[in-house]
Amino acid sequence: GAGVSQSPSNKVTEKGKDVELRCDPISGHTALYWYRQRLGQGLEFLIYFQGNSAPDKSGLPSDRFSAERTGESVSTLTIQRTQQEDSAVYLCASSVDNTGLDGYTFGSGTRLTVV
Amino acid sequence: GQNIDQPTEMTATEGAIVQINCTYQTSGFNGLFWYQQHAGEAPTFLSYNVLDGLEEKGRFSSFLSRSKGYSYLLLKELQMKDSASYLCAVPGGGNKLTFGTGTQLKVEL
Repeated sequence: GAGVSQSPSNKVTEKGKDVELRCDPISGHTALYWYRQRLGQGLEFLIYFQGNSAPDKSGLPSDRFSAERTGESVSTLTIQRTQQEDSAVYLCASSVDNTGLDGYTFGSGTRLTVV
Repeated sequence: GQNIDQPTEMTATEGAIVQINCTYQTSGFNGLFWYQQHAGEAPTFLSYNVLDGLEEKGRFSSFLSRSKGYSYLLLKELQMKDSASYLCAVPGGGNKLTFGTGTQLKVEL
């Protein structure tokens, strides 16, 4: 597609439930990133995928968080046993190559609210 | 690791010029990015500097001094629509961008 597509745009879930967020990057972009942005705060790196290389998971805050990506296509971020502190906007971005120096293109994000 | 510092908030008048500063520490410099983020929207790419000096792009310019670990974003002829958060970011280990917390710019009449 023309841009990075994320779904759902909004998700309200009960504490303790699992959620799955989806990101569809720009076609041909080999690198894909997930960030989290809490209300009024900066972007917090979560995980980075580059082609078929092992992902950089160094930003995942706990083992409740996991992400997958098949090849250079769609990625899903899964949060298990959600907590209220997980409430945030989850942003996905992609870039042409693994340098990221072309700048990221961000999706519109998924606003997650845990009640 | 990377560390980025920006002012939290700034206010300026429509038609004026505003300069948003960013200081950074990073191991291995690979350029500096500026992004604009309107409330409730995704960040959008504004500029990328890898060499010292000023790069102009319409009403927006970005400056870099690698020796001082310093950059600024200059916005001229401010418009109300420029009210947004401006994020400074540097590439870090593994090619991920580390973002500052952003400077919330409010443009007033």
